[in-house]
Amino acid sequence: SYVLTQPPSVSVAPGQTARISCGGNNIGSKSVHWYQQKPGQAPVLVVYDDSDRPSGIPDRISGSNSGNTATLTINRVEVGDEADYFCQVWHTNSPVIFGGGTKLTVL
Amino acid sequence: QEQLVESGGGVVQPGGSLRLSCAASGFTFSSFVMHWVRQAPGKGLEWVAVISSAVNTKYYADSVKGRFTIARDNAKNTLYLEMSSLRGDDTAVYYCATSTIINGELIVWGQGTLVTVSS
Repeated sequence: SYVLTQPPSVSVAPGQTARISCGGNNIGSKSVHWYQQKPGQAPVLVVYDDSDRPSGIPDRISGSNSGNTATLTINRVEVGDEADYFCQVWHTNSPVIFGGGTKLTVL
Repeated sequence: QEQLVESGGGVVQPGGSLRLSCAASGFTFSSFVMHWVRQAPGKGLEWVAVISSAVNTKYYADSVKGRFTIARDNAKNTLYLEMSSLRGDDTAVYYCATSTIINGELIVWGQGTLVTVSS
């Protein structure tokens, strides 16, 4: 089976840049999607197909994907960005695979 | 505005059964692929099952295969998840979600319904 590896936590000060990684074997050959989940709420799609943003998602949030690592980048981090973030891909025999999630803490 | 509303969650004994529903509105339900995703308390997201728009393709996670059945009624704009032989590790919030293709991104999510398996 295909495994996506995310750091359990990332901490950043307001106004700084947060980078959340999602590691997988040759993940650069796949389309990666990212979700933001705030406490007590459902996940929200924030990046799809590696780097595209749904309408309503600020351009402070961006994605990239190459080699064995995909990265979600949040520039000028705000307190409201504090949430869990999950990456997702598909792989043979499994249409949807999620990473374990990363808790972003804004210090 | 696209909306998904789950219902049917509750407390069930181990070995029991439960049927979840997901009512869709604000979009053409029959045109979209539908998924169930669950999240155990304090844990990450786990994909459960998917059904194609035309109902002719279904996939399941290994953890639920043979115990859960995904179904949809396009005339009623409703998605279902029939769960049987429930176990403690099935305890979770269950979300329904849409995508445009079987292995695509999950675009719209419901707010979830909690299933607790306990004696």
